[in-house]
Amino acid sequence: DVKVTQSSRYLVKRTGEKVFLECVQDMDHENMFWYRQDPGLGLRLIYFSYDVKMKEKGDIPEGYSVSREKKERFSLILESASTNQTSMYLCASSLLRDPGGYTFGSGTRLTVV
Amino acid sequence: QKEVEQDPGPLSVPEGAIVSLNCTYSNSAFQYFMWYRQYSRKGPELLMYTYSSGNKEDGRFTAQVDKSSKYISLFIRDSQPSDSATYLCAMGIGWKVTFGTGTKLQVIP
Repeated sequence: DVKVTQSSRYLVKRTGEKVFLECVQDMDHENMFWYRQDPGLGLRLIYFSYDVKMKEKGDIPEGYSVSREKKERFSLILESASTNQTSMYLCASSLLRDPGGYTFGSGTRLTVV
Repeated sequence: QKEVEQDPGPLSVPEGAIVSLNCTYSNSAFQYFMWYRQYSRKGPELLMYTYSSGNKEDGRFTAQVDKSSKYISLFIRDSQPSDSATYLCAMGIGWKVTFGTGTKLQVIP
């Protein structure tokens, strides 16, 4: 009974490539989030969306963009991948009325070479 | 100073022990508080979610919030090897959630 699905578990991309990370949730949640998780730095918010076509920058949006064309799908785009974007990327969703009650996906481990 | 401080551990305890995990924070405006558990190579999963000071119990888990001291705790009773994971505290204002860096717990059979 998978609820938040991330399209890839592992990805290896070359520097300068455009990278798409896809996330789909089946719980009808309004909020969707993209985080990256790095040792010693914890979870850092990249972007947040509270509705279709709406987005808010998080703490580290530089080098990233997002797209939310449908309520259930939230995409993270790395415009030109760099080695410092090697990380674990986590998608999450939550209800508008319980903003901190996240359901996370299993994560995508992205390596940029 | 980080907004949320959490001892990274690792913390090793024998099976059956009571575990205490703690976080301190500096922003008195935080409105709600969570604990997440993260197994290796998995996404975090929500364990406890509370808005108010005091204790909240769910099975073997008790979350405690002390807003006056800016301190939250998670207690695990009768710890099991399956509790071995990284535990993340988190707290939020509106839609903005700030996570601790996590405490790695190992429960030894």
